Amino acid sequence: GESVGLHLPTLSVQEGDNSIINCAYSNSASDYFIWYKQESGKGPQFIIDIRSNMDKRQGQRVTVLLNKTVKHLSLQIAATQPGDSAVYFCAERSLETSGSRLTFGEGTQLTVNP
Amino acid sequence: DARVTQTPRHKVTEMGQEVTMRCQPILGHNTVFWYRQTMMQGLELLAYFRNRAPLDDSGMPKDRFSAEMPDATLATLKIQPSEPRDSAVYFCASGRRLAGEETQYFGPGTRLLVL
Repeated sequence: GESVGLHLPTLSVQEGDNSIINCAYSNSASDYFIWYKQESGKGPQFIIDIRSNMDKRQGQRVTVLLNKTVKHLSLQIAATQPGDSAVYFCAERSLETSGSRLTFGEGTQLTVNP
Repeated sequence: DARVTQTPRHKVTEMGQEVTMRCQPILGHNTVFWYRQTMMQGLELLAYFRNRAPLDDSGMPKDRFSAEMPDATLATLKIQPSEPRDSAVYFCASGRRLAGEETQYFGPGTRLLVL
């Protein structure tokens, strides 16, 4: 079936470096994508989203890139800080095929070393 | 700062007992989601409601799980009877669709342990 998955389960970076977290999806009908951050013991927290008619969207220190040709999504975090350490999930939705249902990837554990 | 609230935050129970989890969505949000998170399966959607009506409960085991929205400010998820394999973190999320976007905001979760 259709699925969303992450390339790397763990990522370790130095404080101040830029981080890139990748996500592959397989549903060509996906029209909306979200990145969530989940800290230990907490619920997923919305970071940034992007619609399928865009290829880039920027937030505060974060940028999401969408490449529909290869069905790839990435989250870039600039000047990574220790507080960015968490598990990051991508999620996709296809309004046409599954309504408001989000399909989540497996998650990438980001560790920021001071 | 509007947030989704969930109670209880932690629940330990014995196999066979009924478990009820509650969720208060963000005021003004008309969609409520129930998720389950385990190490093995990750985040799974159990069910969701829009305007208090169930739209999709295909992810929920029907024989023991039930989800309801008695009113717009309360969603419940019940397990009866509970089993050890139900041990997980259960998240509620709420959202409101605007121009095709529907960001889901998650609560802190209920950590359930069934012995």
